[in-house]
Parts: sequence; structure tokens; C-alpha cells
Amino acid sequence: KQEVTQIPAALSVPEGENLVLNCSFTDSAIYNLQWFRQDPGKGLTSLLLIQSSQREQTSGRLNASLDKSSGRSTLYIAASQPGDSATYLCAVTYRGSTLGRLYFGRGTQLTVWP
Amino acid sequence: SAVISQKPSRDICQRGTSLTIQCQVDSQVTMMFWYRQQPGQSLTLIATANQGSEATYESGFVIDKFPISRPNLTFSTLTVSNMSPEDSSIYLCSVLASAKMGNTGELFFGEGSRLTVL
Repeated sequence: KQEVTQIPAALSVPEGENLVLNCSFTDSAIYNLQWFRQDPGKGLTSLLLIQSSQREQTSGRLNASLDKSSGRSTLYIAASQPGDSATYLCAVTYRGSTLGRLYFGRGTQLTVWP
Repeated sequence: SAVISQKPSRDICQRGTSLTIQCQVDSQVTMMFWYRQQPGQSLTLIATANQGSEATYESGFVIDKFPISRPNLTFSTLTVSNMSPEDSSIYLCSVLASAKMGNTGELFFGEGSRLTVL
């Protein structure tokens, strides 16, 4: 069974902290991995996409890494801000699956307080 | 990226009724997808909708309950039929990045339609 697990389920930090969100997947035969942000009751915003051939991707204060051999990805958020408060979802496309058929983790609910 | 608009953004429905959700994309895309997010859960794929062919449903989802239309390359609808409280969820439309968007395999989502069934 192709599962995606995210740890921690929830995280509360003061503004300014650097933090790491973790994602693990059970099958190393992935096509790509995508990190999303979801605000309460809203849709998903794509943050970063890492192809299976890549080790990391960066966008502003966000950096995502991928280690296929260990089945892990991390999302690093630098200098966190209250506006970063949201649920962060990790999703995997596996090789052999239809592109667009994502397997999602349950997310990490992040709260950044001033 | 793609701009994806969904209607309605939210609705409260009575048990036994049906509701159709619309999804409009600002550019032509081959593949569109419908996902469901039940309260406190992560997202689950309902079906893949390609223009000109029948939708392909995931295990546990059937056409009679979730009929889908895909009349052209920028529009799709999902109907939730004979609703029960268990259908209360956020329903999200998504599209796969096209060649024009770089063919990266990236998936973009709409804002979602939040349905509450009483």
C-alpha cells in the first residue's frame, strides 16, 4: 500500500523560528513529490515540486529536499512568520500511476504566533 | 500556473438532493481531476476526467453517485447525487500542468467547494 506520512501532525512556534516539516513515503519508485499549503476551508496552493531526479528545490524562504532511498522529504521554512500559519501537505506521484494521481499525507498544521 | 475557478464555493444541502460543482480553467488542459477532502482527513482522488472520454473512477467511487462531465478542455462538472451527511466534504478540482505550463507533472488546485449535508 502506498502511504504518505507526515510528522508532526501539528506544530506551534514563535515568529522567527526556522522549522522543519517531515514527509515519509513507503515506495521509493516515485515520479515526483509536491508540497502544498492549505488555509482553513480553502483549496491547495502548490509550494514546491521536486522531480525524482532532483535532491532539493527552493522558493524564497522555503526549501524542500528529497531522499528517495530513505523515503523522505523535508520542508524547511526559514524565519517563520504568522502568515505562514496553515496546513502543509505532502503528496507523491508514484511511477506507474497516472500523472495527477497524488497520494497525500494528512498534513502538518502549523501555527506561528507573534 | 493555472487559474482554476470553482462554483459554488460553499453550500448547505438537504439529504437526498443532488448538487453540481463547476470547474473552469483559464487555459486548455488535457487532464482534470476531482478530489474529496472529508473533515479532518487528507485528500482522496475521486476520478480523472479527460475531454472526449468517460471519466475514470477510483476504487470506492461510482459514476451513479459522482457523475462527471468534461465537455471541453477548460471545463468540467462533478455532481454529488442523492447526498447524505457522509458526503459533507470539500470537493476540489485540479489540473495537471500542460505543455504550455512546462509539462512538469505539477498539479494545481481550485479553491474547493465546501458542501454540508444536513
